Formats: sequence, structure tokens, C-alpha cells
Amino acid sequence: DIQMTQSPSSLSASVGDRVTITCRASQGINSFLAWYQQKPGKVPKLLIYAASTLQSGVPSRFSGSGSGTDFTLTISSLQPEDLATYYCQTYNSAPRRAFGQGTKVEVK
Amino acid sequence: QVQLVESGGGLVNPGGSLRLSCAASGFTFSDYYMSWVRQAPGKGLEWVSYISSSGSNIYYADSVRGRFTISRDNTKNSLYLQMSSLRGADTAVYYCAREGYSDYEGWFDPWGQGTLVTVSS
Repeated sequence: DIQMTQSPSSLSASVGDRVTITCRASQGINSFLAWYQQKPGKVPKLLIYAASTLQSGVPSRFSGSGSGTDFTLTISSLQPEDLATYYCQTYNSAPRRAFGQGTKVEVK
Repeated sequence: QVQLVESGGGLVNPGGSLRLSCAASGFTFSDYYMSWVRQAPGKGLEWVSYISSSGSNIYYADSVRGRFTISRDNTKNSLYLQMSSLRGADTAVYYCAREGYSDYEGWFDPWGQGTLVTVSS
């Protein structure tokens, strides 16, 4: 089974900072990767799919990159409302879908 | 607008059963793959099961295989999760989520608001 590992598990950054979250797959997954944002007490929200395609309505400060085993979610300029936990997720691989363990982002 | 509304959660004894439902609206339900995803209190997201648009392809996470059954009724725009032999580790908020038109579009959007299942005596 494919395992998804995110790093770091948590981070704290200031408003305006560039933030990078990494997701590593235990085997190649092409570009079958999505990113989600879950704010405290809220339902997860899709940010990016196919590794780098921004979902409609998502601010352009969010971007995704990577293919194969290594992927990155970048927030170019952190905003207070970006306080959340971020998850990567692979699809079309055994197990059929799998999430990373999450990265909690705090805003100083 | 696209909407998913789960129901059926509640408190159940260990070893018991529960059936979750997800009512879909605002899109052609029969065109889309669907999944259940759960989140234990204070924990991360865990994919549980998915079903293809026709219901012909079904997959489960190892943690629930043999105990949970996913199904759908395209005439009623509804998704179901029959859960049996429930354990404390199954305590979680269960989300219904829409996928894409094919196995290659396995991202989740949108999600329902979730329904809480608590397994405890």
C-alpha cells in the first residue's frame, strides 16, 4: 500500500511569509495528488488537484508542484485566514485513496 | 447548488450496527464516483470506501473491509454506508464526498457536513 508522509507536522509563520509543505509518496503516483485545507471545526476544502491545478475560487497565493513521489504545497504570502490543517491525498493507487497525516499551520 | 447531506450517525454499542445515508442534490448523481471519509476526534482524515458511478467498482480501506458495506441508489440520489461489528476505533465524523467521473479523478469535492458516529457502551 502507498503511504503518504507530510512534513512538517506543524509550523508557525508570520503574515506575509512564504510557507512550504511537503508530501512524499512511498512509491510513484504520477500526478495523482490533491491538497485540502481544513480550518478548525470546518469541513475539508479542496485546494489543488492533479498536483498543480488550482480549484476554482481558491486564492492564487496557493500553488502545488511535483510529480512521482515528491510534492509541495506553497502559500506564497501567508494570511491570517490560512490558519488550518493541510492534507495531501493520493488517488488511483492501492489503497485506492490515501491521505497524509496533516500539517497544522499557525499564524504568528 | 451542489449539496451533500449525511444522516444516520449516533451512539452505538461496540459490536453494533449503523447505516449512514448521504443525500445528494444539485448535480447528476449517477455520473459521479462517491466516497466516505472519516475523521476521529482530534485526528486526521482517513478514506473509508469508494463506489463507482454505476456501483460496479467498490473498494475499502483495510481497517473496515469485511465490516462496512458501501452502496448507492442512483434513482434516489443517495449514498449509503452500512457499518457492522463496530469498534471504538470507528468513532469519528463520517463525511460523504463526491469524486469525479472516473478513477483518475479521485479528489474529493464537495464534502458533506459530516455525521458523528460514537461507538461506546
